[in-house]
Amino acid sequence: EIVLTQSPATLSLSPGERATLSCRASQSVSSYLAWYQQKPGQAPRLLIYDASNRATGIPARFSGSGSGTDFTLTISSLEPEDFAVYYCQQRSNWPPAFGQGTRLEIK
Amino acid sequence: EVQLVESGGGLVQPGGSLRLSCAASGFTVSSNYMSWVRQAPGKGLEWVSVIYSGGSTYYADSVKGRFTISRDNSKNTLYLQMNSLRAEDTAVYYCASIKDGYNYDWGQGTLVTVSS
Repeated sequence: EIVLTQSPATLSLSPGERATLSCRASQSVSSYLAWYQQKPGQAPRLLIYDASNRATGIPARFSGSGSGTDFTLTISSLEPEDFAVYYCQQRSNWPPAFGQGTRLEIK
Repeated sequence: EVQLVESGGGLVQPGGSLRLSCAASGFTVSSNYMSWVRQAPGKGLEWVSVIYSGGSTYYADSVKGRFTISRDNSKNTLYLQMNSLRAEDTAVYYCASIKDGYNYDWGQGTLVTVSS
């Protein structure tokens, strides 16, 4: 079973700053990794799939990179609505595990 | 527009059963991969089960043998039959449609509480 470890657990930044979130897999998942955003009381929303492809309607300030075991979600300039919890998820092997999440909070 | 609406959650005693429903509109459940994902209070996401368009089903080890995923094509609805419920099954349960291997469209979730 593949384990995804996200870091940091909490990231405190200000609007306009750049955010860099990390996801590390316990074994290679190739490029089969996604990023989701979840706001309080809402369902998650798919942001990035296959490591670097933005889902429909996702703003260009969100970008993903990486392959193998190390992945990064970058938000180039934080907007107030970007403060949320972010999860990575792999689909390389069953079960398609999620990471434990990174909370992005306003500094 | 794709819409997924879950129902059937509630309070149930340990050892009890519950059936969750997920009514879909804007697309055909039977033609898509569909999943159930849960989130315990204050915790992260856990993939529970998936059903492929061909009918194959898969389960997380934590629910295998207790939960059953199914669909009713005539009602365009996905189900999750949950038996032998435990306290650790307490969570918000989301249904989602799978596109390119990932959960793309999500419902709003339904809360299941297992407690005496």
